[in-house]
Amino acid sequence: QQKVQQSPESLIVPEGAMTSLNCTFSDSASQYFAWYRQHSGKAPKALMSIFSNGEKEEGRFTIHLNKASLHFSLHIRDSQPSDSALYLCAVYSNNRIFFGDGTQLVVKP
Amino acid sequence: GGIITQTPKFLIGQEGQKLTLKCQQNFNHDTMYWYRQDSGKGLRLIYYSITENDLQKGDLSEGYDASREKKSSFSLTVTSAQKNEMAVFLCASSIWGYAEQFFGPGTRLTVL
Repeated sequence: QQKVQQSPESLIVPEGAMTSLNCTFSDSASQYFAWYRQHSGKAPKALMSIFSNGEKEEGRFTIHLNKASLHFSLHIRDSQPSDSALYLCAVYSNNRIFFGDGTQLVVKP
Repeated sequence: GGIITQTPKFLIGQEGQKLTLKCQQNFNHDTMYWYRQDSGKGLRLIYYSITENDLQKGDLSEGYDASREKKSSFSLTVTSAQKNEMAVFLCASSIWGYAEQFFGPGTRLTVL
C-alpha cells in the first residue's frame, strides 16, 4: 500500500522568504504528483502537478520531482501572507490518488 | 467551468443515527470521491467511484456506505454516527483517475 508522508508538519516563515515543502512516497511505480492548497475554511484546490522527473515552474511556485529518491517538493519564492494555508501533496498509483497529511504554512508579515 | 454542490452544509445527528450526505457535480466528470477531514488534518479517502454504479473502498470505508446513482451524483451514508467522527466531509470529482480533483465546499458533521 502506498505511503505518502509530508514534512514538516507545520512551518512559520517571514514574508519574502523562500519556503520549501517536502513529500515522500513509497511506490516507485507512481505516475502523477501534485500539490493542493487549502485556505482555512475553504475547499482544497489544485496548485501544480508534474508527471516526469525534473522541475516545473509557475510564477512563484516550483515543483521538483525525483522518482529515484521517491521524493518531490514544492518551493515558494517570495512567500506572501496570502500563501498561508494547508498544503497537501498527492500521488497517483494503483488506480487512485493518495494524499499526504499536509503541511500547515504560516507566512508572517 | 462547473460546480460541485454538497448538501446539507451542516449536519447534526444523534449518536447511533443513520445520516446521509449528498453531492452533485455538473462537470460531467467520470470519477467522484468522498473524503473525511478532521480538524486541521489531511484528507482520508472513504469511497470513490470510477463511473456510474461503480464503488471502490478507500482507506476509511468502515462505518460508511456510498451510492453512485447517476454520473452527476454521489451519496455517502454514515451508518451509525459516532462522536469521534465529527469532521468535514468533502466530495470531489475528476475527469479520470489522476486528473485534477475539484472539491465541493464540504458538509460539517456534528454528533450529539
